[in-house]
Amino acid sequence: AQRVTQPEKLLSVFKGAPVELKCNYSYSGSPELFWYVQYSRQRLQLLLRHISRESIKGFTADLNKGETSFHLKKPFAQEEDSAMYYCALSGDSGAGSYQLTFGKGTKLSVIP
Amino acid sequence: GAGVSQSPSNKVTEKGKDVELRCDPISGHTALYWYRQSLGQGLEFLIYFQGNSAPDKSGLPSDRFSAERTGGSVSTLTIQRTQQEDSAVYLCASSLAEGGTQYFGPGTRLLVL
Repeated sequence: AQRVTQPEKLLSVFKGAPVELKCNYSYSGSPELFWYVQYSRQRLQLLLRHISRESIKGFTADLNKGETSFHLKKPFAQEEDSAMYYCALSGDSGAGSYQLTFGKGTKLSVIP
Repeated sequence: GAGVSQSPSNKVTEKGKDVELRCDPISGHTALYWYRQSLGQGLEFLIYFQGNSAPDKSGLPSDRFSAERTGGSVSTLTIQRTQQEDSAVYLCASSLAEGGTQYFGPGTRLLVL
């Protein structure tokens, strides 16, 4: 069974401080990992996809297969980063679909 | 371009009534997903449609839930004999092809009294 764990429900950091949102996963195979973000009163949107190896809004995430982790990092937090962040995994469920399995989410609050 | 749209945005119903939730995916997207977002359970997969293939219904929580996708585009999620535990935000997502990036709609907030 595939599972995504985000250990922190809430993370508060000061503006300008580094941010790390933790994500661990369980999957027997080669999953694809994502970070989705939901800003206040907005829809869920893709932030990062591990195969893209991009940096979006200053955020990066590296897939560590040995530790089965996909932590999200940003060196200097901004107030506009305050949002709900979801780590998600996609893999062939065996039924031919690629649904996302989400973690419970971490609410990031950046203190001015 | 237009993103995924869902209607209604909010729905209040009485326990035991049936409800229908609608999703309009991004034009040209062949894959369509339904998820449920609730306080206790987080985001859960419900059902998946891909082209003309049989849907993956493995996430539907009970036989009171069903969904269809007509003409490979619009999808309707139906909940029969609603229960209070069905209260949640129901999200629809679409992707260009299976395994592609999923784009989410704004959701339908369902409250069952």
